[in-house]
Amino acid sequence: QSVLTQPPSASGTPGQRVTISCSGSNSNVGSNYVYWYQQLPGTAPKLLIYRNSQRPSGVPGRFYGSKSGTSASLAISGLRSEDEADYYCASWDDSLSWVFGGGTKLTVL
Amino acid sequence: EVQLVESGGGLVQPGRSLRLSCATSKFTFDDYAMHWVRQAPGKGLEWVSGISWDSGTIGYADSVKGRFTISRDNAKNSLYLQMHSLKAEDTAFYYCAKDGGLRYDGTTSLGLDYWGQGTLVTVSS
Repeated sequence: QSVLTQPPSASGTPGQRVTISCSGSNSNVGSNYVYWYQQLPGTAPKLLIYRNSQRPSGVPGRFYGSKSGTSASLAISGLRSEDEADYYCASWDDSLSWVFGGGTKLTVL
Repeated sequence: EVQLVESGGGLVQPGRSLRLSCATSKFTFDDYAMHWVRQAPGKGLEWVSGISWDSGTIGYADSVKGRFTISRDNAKNSLYLQMHSLKAEDTAFYYCAKDGGLRYDGTTSLGLDYWGQGTLVTVSS
């Protein structure tokens, strides 16, 4: 059971906009930044969003992160086949540890 | 290009020990915090441990506290994870990851911006 809650799966067709949610509590998402990672099949995770909504250089503007209260979201617009991957949210928890969501498997139909 | 290369994984019996290493290059190692993150086969990510740039602050997940020890050698640009009293539930790919900030906690982190390819640890008799 992961500390942060994500839907196990999401899907969309090419060109669509999809949103993945991440729900936490006051000790993590509610009081700390949220980070998003993308893990393509058979590869190591890649940082997609840091500090709620910042994109590292090289990450397309199609990826957008937001946070409100104890929940966060990752939106992907203009969905492409190469976006098919597992997506994880993460946050620092005031219990002095990093916590991850269980991951969301995104399928591009 | 920043490189992180893990080594030391393998098959080990329950109760035994193993030491993982992470050799890094192409960045100023002692300017950044480092982490170990693991992923059981077919499962999600789990943070294991983190260490600040100067080894001044260190943290562990409750699941490994008292059994695992993280360390770094800034002169060798390397990160380590000493694992004792291994259990079947420690079976996972272990990733070494660079933090974008100085400390391993959430105060300065800019996310885990570079990851190694992972090394598989299998705990089984």
